[in-house]
This record gives sequence, structure tokens and C-alpha cells, in this order.
Amino acid sequence: AQRVTQPEKLLSVFKGAPVELKCNYSYSGSPELFWYVQYSRQRLQLLLRHISRESIKGFTADLNKGETSFHLKKPFAQEEDSAMYYCALSGKSSASKIIFGSGTRLSIRP
Amino acid sequence: KAGVTQTPRYLIKTRGQQVTLSCSPISGHRSVSWYQQTPGQGLQFLFEYFSETQRNKGNFPGRFSGRQFSNSRSEMNVSTLELGDSALYLCASSFSTDLYGYTFGSGTRLTVV
Repeated sequence: AQRVTQPEKLLSVFKGAPVELKCNYSYSGSPELFWYVQYSRQRLQLLLRHISRESIKGFTADLNKGETSFHLKKPFAQEEDSAMYYCALSGKSSASKIIFGSGTRLSIRP
Repeated sequence: KAGVTQTPRYLIKTRGQQVTLSCSPISGHRSVSWYQQTPGQGLQFLFEYFSETQRNKGNFPGRFSGRQFSNSRSEMNVSTLELGDSALYLCASSFSTDLYGYTFGSGTRLTVV
């Protein structure tokens, strides 16, 4: 069964500290993985996607197929990073849907 | 270019009524997906339409239905509303495949009383 697990509902770190938002997945095959972010009073938006190997707003995510994880990391947290973060996966075929994790609320303390 | 537009933004309905929500995708996007977002359950997939055909369906009862028109605009309908249907309903569009992610609308906040 397809499943995305984000074990932390809430993560609170101090400004300037490193951040790691955990994401584990279950999928029979090789999925495509994404991180979405929802800032306060804004719509849900794509943060980054594994397929692009990109770094957005200082965030990176590495796919670990052995551990079936796609953790989101940032070396130095900023106050504007406070938001709700969702990990998501999709199959590689064009007919695959995107499944989301339950989300982690990241709170950056000044 | 214009983003994904959902109407109305807010709705209050009574138990037992039905409701129709509308979504206009980004121009050129042919795939439209619907999600239910609640504090307890997070984002739950409802269904996805591509070129007027339902391509994927989540685990929701038959009271939840949808359709897509030739211009890619989509509607979802919920009949016989229950209190538990109160949620933010999000629409997302993509060009064709999901490999590059979705663009989401702002959602329709449905409250069932």
C-alpha cells in the first residue's frame, strides 16, 4: 500500500539551528517524492521535488531508498520558515495520484 | 498567468443538503485533483480527472462525486451532507503527469451545521 508517514506533528527549533523534517514512505516501486509547504493564510505550494534535485529557500531533501526516507533539511532555520510541511509521493506513471503525509508544523523560535 | 481558482471560498450548508464546488485549473492544465483537508486527517485524496475522465479515486463514499468539462474546469458534488464533511476542499491542477507536482487553489471552506 502507498503510504507517507511524517512522525512529528510539531517541530520547534530556534532560529539559526538546523532543521530536519522526517518523512518515510511505503511504495511498491520507485516513487517520485515531493515536499509541499503551507504558510499561514497562504495556499499549499510545491517546495521541492526529488526529480529536480533542487534546493529551494535553503531546503534540500535526499532520497534514501534503503531507508525509504525523504527527509527535508535546512542548515540554519529562519523565522519565515515557520509553516506546515507535507511530504508527498506519486508513482512514475502519468496516471498516478499524489498521496500526502499528515504534515509537520514547523515553528521557529526567535 | 492565472492560478487555480476555486469558488466559492466559503459555504455553510445544513445536514442533508447537497453542495457543488467549482475549480478552474491553470490554462493548459488537463489534470484536476480534489483533496479534503481536515485538522485530524490531513490531506485526503478524493479523485482526479484528466480529459473529462476520472483517472483515480480515493476512499470516499459515493456521496462524493465529480466531473470535468471539456475546458478542464471541474466540479465536485457532495450529496446528503453530514457534519463530518466540514472541511477545506482543495483543488489542484497539473499539465498532464504528476511528476512535476501540483498547483493548488486556495480552497473552499465548507461548514455543515
